[in-house]
Order: sequence, then C-alpha cells, then structure tokens
Amino acid sequence: SQQGEEDPQALSIQEGENATMNCSYKTSINNLQWYRQNSGRGLVHLILIRSNEREKHSGRLRVTLDTSKKSSSLLITASRAADTASYFCATALTGTASKLTFGTGTRLQVTL
Amino acid sequence: NAGVTQTPKFQVLKTGQSMTLQCAQDMNHEYMSWYRQDPGMGLRLIHYSVGAGITDQGEVPNGYNVSRSTTEDFPLRLLSAAPSQTSVYFCASKKDAGNQPQHFGDGTRLSIL
Repeated sequence: SQQGEEDPQALSIQEGENATMNCSYKTSINNLQWYRQNSGRGLVHLILIRSNEREKHSGRLRVTLDTSKKSSSLLITASRAADTASYFCATALTGTASKLTFGTGTRLQVTL
Repeated sequence: NAGVTQTPKFQVLKTGQSMTLQCAQDMNHEYMSWYRQDPGMGLRLIHYSVGAGITDQGEVPNGYNVSRSTTEDFPLRLLSAAPSQTSVYFCASKKDAGNQPQHFGDGTRLSIL
C-alpha cells in the first residue's frame, strides 16, 4: 500500500520559477525524506526531516512538515534546467527509521 | 568513492530461470535494502538487512531471497523468474538503523520473457 502520495504528478515550469511539490501520508512517521531521480539513474537523497521538525533548508531547497495534516512540501527556488527529474517523498514509520515507503513521485520539467 | 554498485545493469531472463542481482557498498554501512520500481508506482521494499547475518522481509518479498554474509555485499536472488518480476531493481545502503539518508545504486533493469 502507498504511504505517500505526491501532488502534482507532473509539473512544467520555466527556468527561474519556483517549483512546489506536495506529499501526503497516512500513518505516523519517524521521518520523511525527499529524493530526486534523474532519468535512468538511481535516487539521490535531498533532505531528511524528522517528525519533531517543521522546516529544513538545503541550498535552494526548502522542506516543510505538518504532522497534524500528515503532509510535507518540497520547494525548489529559482529552478534550473538541471532540476528536471522525478521527485519522491519517502516515509519511515514510527518505530523504524529505516524501512521507507515511497510515493509515486512528481515529474518536474524545467524549460529554458 | 564507488558508493553502491549494482551488477548487472541490464538483464533479460526467460520465465523459470534463476539469477542473482549483485549489490556492493564500500562505505561500511550496516543497513542495506532492495527495492523494485514499477511504472506509476513508487519504490517498494523487497528485503532489508540491518547487519551481516541479519535479514528481514519488506513489503513484497515473495519470489526473492537474500543473504548477508559480509557487510559489503547484499545479493538478491530470483528463485524462478516470472514476468511479474520485470522491473527496475535498486539497492540502497545507509550507515545504521538511525535517521540517515539512504544511498542508492543506479539500478538493474530486468526483463522476464
């Protein structure tokens, strides 16, 4: 069963614009992680946010977590063509920090 | 650093054949896992290991077998391949069972005819 669901499924923006992706999940979590996947490659970790944290930043990335709404968002500011990829949220349920359940992903296309 | 290395990158099998997907990491990570990725679905956990000699089942373990004789290696065995096992398989590792990111290999693309 899918724990995380991303929204939107696909997003197309122009270079320089901001991109926002949302993730909703169903049960209590230990942490939530965001990963990027370029076509034909493995997943690359972006940010891990723990259940007791509300916001984290890493460069042009900002992740928020609202445990009361069971949702998270990933904001990419000043997007670049190189940001074109699929983005996945993954949750580790309460009691485990390791077994991840992934959402179906958001495909981001950044055009020049 | 090589990170997580998966071999082969591509493989075509006939139904009923068996094979082993290899995964090796050089980061001295305790935790390793196998996922499969199918179109329109997120990655699903097949098996995982919290250390040498210790393995456990994930969400979709049927038809797969694993062992962990060393810290570095975590092979995934398909016992009798079925078309439903056509997928992209990813191996991942992380330092231990705590709150850390997972490091993924580039995947093995497996087709079962």
